[in-house]
Amino acid sequence: DVVLTQTPPTLSATIGQSVSISCRSSQSLLHSNGNTYLHWLLQRPGQSPQLLIYSVSRLESGVPNRFSGSGSGTDFTLKISGVEAEDLGVYYCVQGTHAPRTFGGGTKLELK
Amino acid sequence: EVQLVESGGSLVQPGGSLKLSCVASGFTFSNYWMDWVRQTPGKSLEWIGEINTDGSKTNYAPSIKDRFTISRDNAKSTLYLQMSNVKSDDTAIYYCTTNWELWGQGVMVTVSS
Repeated sequence: DVVLTQTPPTLSATIGQSVSISCRSSQSLLHSNGNTYLHWLLQRPGQSPQLLIYSVSRLESGVPNRFSGSGSGTDFTLKISGVEAEDLGVYYCVQGTHAPRTFGGGTKLELK
Repeated sequence: EVQLVESGGSLVQPGGSLKLSCVASGFTFSNYWMDWVRQTPGKSLEWIGEINTDGSKTNYAPSIKDRFTISRDNAKSTLYLQMSNVKSDDTAIYYCTTNWELWGQGVMVTVSS
């Protein structure tokens, strides 16, 4: 199975600070069809996950543009440019290139 | 309103069976592959499996293969997860989702004697 390693596991930030989360894959996530199925989710406390970024860098409809994704192959990054209070929660990367689908261990974003 | 609503969660004894449902509304259910994902308390997410649009193809995580079965009824806009021979490790919140875009609220399954 593909292992997704997220770092850091916990991230403390102040409002307005820019932060980045890394997701490293044990295998390349470039599919034979040329697409890379690496996505980012946010799970706020007590809520279901929600999709933020799909296919590495595409912003899901309705998601603020302070969120951005980048990367290729095995290394991916989610960046939040100016954390807001509503951004607190646990961030997960998930890959859909290889079966079975797998998730990263999560990065908890909390207020400093 | 576009939504997914799971139901069927409960307390079940080890070795028992349970069937979860996920009712879709507000979109054309039959156009979407569907997935089941679970989350153990305080832990990360785990993919269980997926089903294609007409229900003819399913894929499962190795950890649950042969114990869980995913099916769907497009006429009822409903996705199912049949759980058999459940173990304590199956205790989790179970979510249905469409390609990670839309998620249900989750349903709790507790396996305990």
